[in-house]
Amino acid sequence: DIQMTQSPSSLSASVGDRVTITCRASQGIGKDLGWYQQKPGKAPKRLIYAASTLQNGVPSRFSGSGYGTEFTLTISSLQPEDFATYYCLQVYDYPWTFGQGTKVEIK
Amino acid sequence: QITLRESGPTLLKPTQTLTLTCTFSGFSLSTSGVGVGWIRQPPGKALEWLAVIYWNDDKRYSPSLQSRLTVTKDTSKNQVVLTMTNIDPVDTGTYYCAHILYGDFSPRWGQGILVSVSS
Repeated sequence: DIQMTQSPSSLSASVGDRVTITCRASQGIGKDLGWYQQKPGKAPKRLIYAASTLQNGVPSRFSGSGYGTEFTLTISSLQPEDFATYYCLQVYDYPWTFGQGTKVEIK
Repeated sequence: QITLRESGPTLLKPTQTLTLTCTFSGFSLSTSGVGVGWIRQPPGKALEWLAVIYWNDDKRYSPSLQSRLTVTKDTSKNQVVLTMTNIDPVDTGTYYCAHILYGDFSPRWGQGILVSVSS
């Protein structure tokens, strides 16, 4: 199985801050990675696919980068509605695997 | 417009069999490249991918659960069924189904169903 190591597991930030979350794959996965946002009691929402392609309708303050084993999700200016838990997901090979999540909390 | 909805029992006892149905609309599971996947999330924990079934009846399972999982489709009813045998309290969580297109989840997920396992 491909292990996805996500960091940090949680962070505190203020509105307007730049936030970066990292996912590391245990082996190369090309660009087959997505980023998801989940709010309490809700289904995950896809923000980014193919490592860097912004999902339609997602604000441009979200961006993704990376290839192979190192990937990042960046929120350029954190907004109140962005406080949530974020997950990466590799779809390069079965079993598909999620990172352990990063909870973004209000400072 | 693509929608998916999970249905099934919300409370089970250990050793029972869980049967969840994903009823969808807006796409066909007979179309090339299309699939439906299952994901679960224990309370307060991370997401876990469980299984996927494709238009051509190709199926993939989480290795850790493979012996207990079965996924089937009924194209005429626009339904996918996930069966999990010998259920345990650690299987408690919210179960989601999601639309898959060309080997990746699309943005379309069901709302999830909370399944509790307790004696």
